[in-house]
This record gives sequence, structure tokens and C-alpha cells, in this order.
Amino acid sequence: DAKTTQPPSMDCAEGRAANLPCNHSTISGNEYVYWYRQIHSQGPQYIIHGLKNNETNEMASLIITEDRKSSTLILPHATLRDTAVYYCIVRVGSGNTGKLIFGQGTTLQVKP
Amino acid sequence: DGGITQSPKYLFRKEGQNVTLSCEQNLNHDAMYWYRQDPGQGLRLIYYSQIVNDFQKGDIAEGYSVSREKKESFPLTVTSAQKNPTAFYLCASSQQFATNEKLFFGSGTQLSVL
Repeated sequence: DAKTTQPPSMDCAEGRAANLPCNHSTISGNEYVYWYRQIHSQGPQYIIHGLKNNETNEMASLIITEDRKSSTLILPHATLRDTAVYYCIVRVGSGNTGKLIFGQGTTLQVKP
Repeated sequence: DGGITQSPKYLFRKEGQNVTLSCEQNLNHDAMYWYRQDPGQGLRLIYYSQIVNDFQKGDIAEGYSVSREKKESFPLTVTSAQKNPTAFYLCASSQQFATNEKLFFGSGTQLSVL
């Protein structure tokens, strides 16, 4: 049970913002939302994570709704190298029992 | 450079054979993990270790075994009891086993059955 729902695929034009949605309606108050991406046949790469506030780093922005039941990952200026599978993950559990459970993710195709 | 090294990149297993996948990290992380990924699927947790000399079963531990004798090493053995071992195996680590810790992944090992 991945606890998150993502669209299976999305397209984005190169240079435009890519907005990847994620639903996590059963999230608990102390569970973080994580985003990773995986380029074919490589290990997943950490992008960003947050609890309830919006977050921004050099790679992306994470917008979490006030009720925390959904979030959006924003890649502000998508490039061809951003083509990958993007995983939205809720860390299950708390304290020293938490573990990341990956679903099937969204395949983002950035097109020229 | 600090990171996680998995070897080999590709591995072939014969029927009835045990094989061991290597995972080494020089990040001084306490926690380490093994995941299995099947084509078109997400990652499934096999085993994890919160600290040296300790490990716990994940969601699909049957047919696998691990050890954590050193902080930097967390090898995974795929035993003959694992009847469908063909998959992409990923090792990861985090500084601690806590809810706000991010995972660092290796580049993976593709295991195939001859």
C-alpha cells in the first residue's frame, strides 16, 4: 500500500514549468512527503521533502495543501534531462519505525 | 567522493545457486536498506538496518538474507529459496532511521537467472 496516488504519465515542453500532482489523503500529522526521481536503470535521486510548509531548493519547489491531503512538485524550467519517473512518497510510521514505500510514480516526458 | 557503491552492475544466477550483492557506503550513515524493483513497478523493501549488527525484515524478505557486521557494508544474499529473483536491486542509506531523513541510493544491480 503506497498511500499515494499519482498520474501514470505526463508530458511537458522544454523550458516550461512541470507540475506533478500527488494525492495522499490518508496522511498522518507526523508523516513527511518525499519526492524522488529515477532515470532509467539508475538509483532514485532525492529531490525534496516537506511536512506542512511549502519548500524550495535548487532542484524544485514543493507545494503542500493546507489540509495536507495533496501536494505538487514543481520543476520551474524543465529540461530534457528531467525526463524520468517521479515518485511521491509518504514516510510510513514515526520515530525509528518509519520507512519509505514507493508506488509506481509518474513518468514525466520533457519534449523539445 | 562520498556515496554508495553497488557491485556488480550485472549478475547472473544459476538455478539453486546463492548469490551475494555488495553494497558499501562511505557517508558514515547509520541506516541502510535493500529494495527490489521489477519492470514498470515501484520499489519494494526487502531488509533494512538501523545500526550496525542489527537488521529487520521488510515487506518481501522471504528468500533473502543480509548481514551488517560493519557500518559501511550491508551485503544482500539472494538464496535458492527465492524462486523469482530476476529484478533490479537497489541499496540505500540514510544518516539515521528517522522520519525526516532522506535516502541516498546506489546505482543498482541487475540480477538475472540463467
